[in-house]
Amino acid sequence: GAGVSQSPSNKVTEKGKDVELRCDPISGHTALYWYRQSLGQGLEFLIYFQGNSAPDKSGLPSDRFSAERTGGSVSTLTIQRTQQEDSAVYLCASSSSTGMNTEAFFGQGTRLTVV
Amino acid sequence: DQQVKQNSPSLSVQEGRISILNCDYTNSMFDYFLWYKKYPAEGPTFLISISSIKDKNEDGRFTVFLNKSAKHLSLHIVPSQPGDSAVYFCAARTSGNTPLVFGKGTRLSVIA
Repeated sequence: GAGVSQSPSNKVTEKGKDVELRCDPISGHTALYWYRQSLGQGLEFLIYFQGNSAPDKSGLPSDRFSAERTGGSVSTLTIQRTQQEDSAVYLCASSSSTGMNTEAFFGQGTRLTVV
Repeated sequence: DQQVKQNSPSLSVQEGRISILNCDYTNSMFDYFLWYKKYPAEGPTFLISISSIKDKNEDGRFTVFLNKSAKHLSLHIVPSQPGDSAVYFCAARTSGNTPLVFGKGTRLSVIA
């Protein structure tokens, strides 16, 4: 497809289980971002990949969170031992470069509910 | 420490009138600013942007104003339409390999 694709669109998991969220960025986009939006909150930055550079992990809230980007394309966000406070909409975005005047395009998000 | 602030969580405007959404930032190194619109159950969509070398950018009904000395930007929508009802996020970035920093959003309701 032409846009950023995320799967699954909804995920309900039990507390303590691990989850994996997938993001397919727009073809050719070198930058990929993960954000999350908790209920009533703004967009919280999690992690950022740019080309072959080391990812910016400064937004990851704990060591239970990790992400990888294989082949410079698809990215997976993994949350281990999920907690109820992890419940949020996880949003992935991609952009063509990190130069000036480039916007990020978002996927529709994955709604994660930890019960 | 919130670097991008949208102090109004909600705004209600009559159809046909002007909507003004405000955003303040604290990081003087920000040099590119964007507005995104978000409908429920959808990802944010890019609306309009402005670089720090400008003080105004216009695209149809949408205009963004930047006041660097006040570290303030605003989005004007005129005339407002019911389809504009959504949550609007302000975002900013510095140059180089840095992610976008978002505000908490303002929910705009345009009443017919």
